[in-house]
Amino acid sequence: QKEVEQDPGPLSVPEGAIVSLNCTYSNSAFQYFMWYRQYSRKGPELLMYTYSSGNKEDGRFTAQVDKSSKYISLFIRDSQPSDSATYLCAMKITSGTYKYIFGTGTRLKVLA
Amino acid sequence: DAGVIQSPRHEVTEMGQEVTLRCKPISGHNSLFWYRQTMMRGLELLIYFNNNVPIDDSGMPEDRFSAKMPNASFSTLKIQPSEPRDSAVYFCASSSSVTQPQHFGDGTRLSIL
Repeated sequence: QKEVEQDPGPLSVPEGAIVSLNCTYSNSAFQYFMWYRQYSRKGPELLMYTYSSGNKEDGRFTAQVDKSSKYISLFIRDSQPSDSATYLCAMKITSGTYKYIFGTGTRLKVLA
Repeated sequence: DAGVIQSPRHEVTEMGQEVTLRCKPISGHNSLFWYRQTMMRGLELLIYFNNNVPIDDSGMPEDRFSAKMPNASFSTLKIQPSEPRDSAVYFCASSSSVTQPQHFGDGTRLSIL
């Protein structure tokens, strides 16, 4: 079993929809959680960086962490065709570690 | 500001050939990472440098892979001899410290025939 599981998709939604992207993990020691966006033929780009449980909002993006369920989510409000990309979750145990554990990514398509 | 710069963007070569991938980290960043991305395994850390010194190379698949960082602005990942199973996208990332997020280059798409 992988440490971090992510549905590969593709997830297709109409423009303007609310998108929910999720990851589950098995290691309860993870404390730092990240979401990266990766456009085709590009490198991953950091979207959100959160610590421990709770919500963090940045514009149309909200990251949510539920440590009791070992489940994290990224919500995208008012989705746009430009949001079409692969979204990778990543996590690490402490702030001082360089070892990120990445999910394999969910491919999102927002249809105009 | 210039991001992480990788070259070449694409490399196609025949099995057995030597392959060299190059990376220029963001200026001022002292941590550098090489990753490999495949559909099946996602992003895997190959090696981590801090202040030009290799700290963790436990992710390097085998002795055919080697990496160097001769100075703060340049790193190479070499595969010799290359094999078809090495085909993947190789990313370089850098950060200003291990507590800060990693910033990725656009990768080198490697195909070994």
